Formats: sequence, structure tokens, C-alpha cells
Amino acid sequence: AQSVTQPDIHITVSEGASLELRCNYSYGATPYLFWYVQSPGQGLQLLLKYFSGDTLVQGIKGFEAEFKRSQSSFNLRKPSVHWSDAAEYFCAVVGNYGQNFVFGPGTRLSVLP
Amino acid sequence: KAGVTQTPRYLIKTRGQQVTLSCSPISGHRSVSWYQQTPGQGLQFLFEYFSETQRNKGNFPGRFSGRQFSNSRSEMNVSTLELGDSALYLCASIVGETQYFGPGTRLLVL
Repeated sequence: AQSVTQPDIHITVSEGASLELRCNYSYGATPYLFWYVQSPGQGLQLLLKYFSGDTLVQGIKGFEAEFKRSQSSFNLRKPSVHWSDAAEYFCAVVGNYGQNFVFGPGTRLSVLP
Repeated sequence: KAGVTQTPRYLIKTRGQQVTLSCSPISGHRSVSWYQQTPGQGLQFLFEYFSETQRNKGNFPGRFSGRQFSNSRSEMNVSTLELGDSALYLCASIVGETQYFGPGTRLLVL
């Protein structure tokens, strides 16, 4: 069965610093990969997705993610964090054969002024 | 294009009652999924509907049920509410392999 791990439960960065959120997945083939962001009390907003092709994917709000097959990872990055980026970030995978979406446990990002 | 709409946004019920939540997907999308989100369990898949048929179901008791109408709107029902059913219930509109989420319904069971 597919699974997703996000090793960091909570990360704190200073505004303007760079950010990398880790995501590792377990799946027999290359799944479809997603990053979502959730502000308190809100639904999930899609940041970016990877299906195939270029392993560096650009998303909204200045985020990007890199798929590394050898490491089964799909880490999310942003070069300069803004205070409004404080939220919870979820990595998700779905298999190629109609399997359900599986979400990671989430990483909560705090941003210091 | 309007996004996913969920009603109501907030709900307070007491144990033993039942509740019905509604979700309208993005126009033209025929598939919806439902999730329960709690601090302890994270995001857990409830079920998925496509063209009025349940396509997948998560590991939840039979008290949790859903349906989809011909206009793609979906409802989920929870009968005999328990305190542990307090959660944010999220609906997603699906196109291809991508899910677009609504704002959720916050259910509090007292």
C-alpha cells in the first residue's frame, strides 16, 4: 500500500529565509505527487503537482518541488519565506491505478518576523 | 469558475443525533471525495463518488454514508453521532488525478 511520510512535524523559519519541507513516499511505481497548503480553519489549496516529465515543478506562491525517484522524495522549497506562508503543508500521493489519495501527516510552518 | 462549495460551514450537534453535510463540486466535475480531518488522525479518506456511484470507500463504520446526485452534488450523512466524530469534513472535486478542496464543514459533537 502506498504511504507518505513528512519527517518534520513543525518547522520555524525567519521571514526571508529559505524553506525546504520534506516528503517521502512508498509506492511500487512512480505515483502522482501533490503538495497542498492549509491555513487555519480552511480547506486545502493545491500548490503544485507532479505527474511526469521535468522533475522540478513550479507552483503557485513562489513554491517549487523536486521529484527524486532514487530517494522516493518530493521536497517542497521556497527561496524566501513570507509571513503569510505560515500554515500547514501536506504532501499527497495517488497511484496510477485508481487508488485513493494518501496524505502525509502534515508539517506546520511558523514564520518569525 | 466557482470553486467547491460546502454547506453548512459550521455545525454543532449532540451525541446520538444525525447530520447531513453537502458539497457542490466545481462545475463540470463529476467526481467528489470526502475526508475527515482531526488533529489526532490527520486526513482520512471517507469515500469517493463518480456519476452517482460510490467508487471507493475508506475504513469508516457504517454510520458514515454518502450519495451523489445527478447534478454531481454530494451529501454525506453521519448517524448516531459520537464525540469522536467532531472534525473538519472536507469535500474535494476531482478532475483527472487532481483534487480541489472546499473550505470544509466544521462539526462539533457535544
